[in-house]
Amino acid sequence: GAVVSQHPSWVICKSGTSVKIECRSLDFQATTMFWYRQFPKQSLMLMATSNEGSKATYEQGVEKDKFLINHASLTLSTLTVTSAHPEDSSFYICSARRDGGYSGANVLTFGAGSRLTVL
Amino acid sequence: SQKIEQNSEALNIQEGKTATLTCNYTNYSPAYLQWYRQDPGRGPVFLLLIRENEKEKRKERLKVTFDTTLKQSLFHITASQPADSATYLCALDENTGNQFYFGTGTSLTVIP
Repeated sequence: GAVVSQHPSWVICKSGTSVKIECRSLDFQATTMFWYRQFPKQSLMLMATSNEGSKATYEQGVEKDKFLINHASLTLSTLTVTSAHPEDSSFYICSARRDGGYSGANVLTFGAGSRLTVL
Repeated sequence: SQKIEQNSEALNIQEGKTATLTCNYTNYSPAYLQWYRQDPGRGPVFLLLIRENEKEKRKERLKVTFDTTLKQSLFHITASQPADSATYLCALDENTGNQFYFGTGTSLTVIP
């Protein structure tokens, strides 16, 4: 079945440093990937849509210079949290869209998530 | 404004009973409605999808209904088991390919 690998699963960093999170589709190509942020006991908040070979589309209120997204290949998208601060601490989840992945419909395959703690 | 609401944040049921979760939406025109399961500290996992022209879909102990007039989907888990305890999310796809809209989620606990 379709698998999306997300690394690291957890990371602790000092305030002011940058952290990169990778999202790889292992057995399918994904022209579109999505990055979400999730707070405890809350639903997924879409941060940005990442399209292979083009600039990411950010949701309103998400700082593109803070959260850098690169989708350089059909199997890899990266999210870099630049100059991280404690308020950036959160659970970040990526998903890859499987075009026609379920009886012709698009479905999402999610990574396992990355827990970021900024001290 | 657009909204996707799922019934009560938390739902507790006895093992063996049927769990029924609801997903109501406002100001969307979904071509597909999907259900995902999320365990604590993990990413969601796709369970089932139903199209706008379908009334009902089944997969093993799972059943999904879709009423575009009521703008509602019901998700049923029959013969529930403690292992079914998780958060369940509904998601709408308007078939633009660029956006999936997620509901607030319902945390289900099946009590042994």
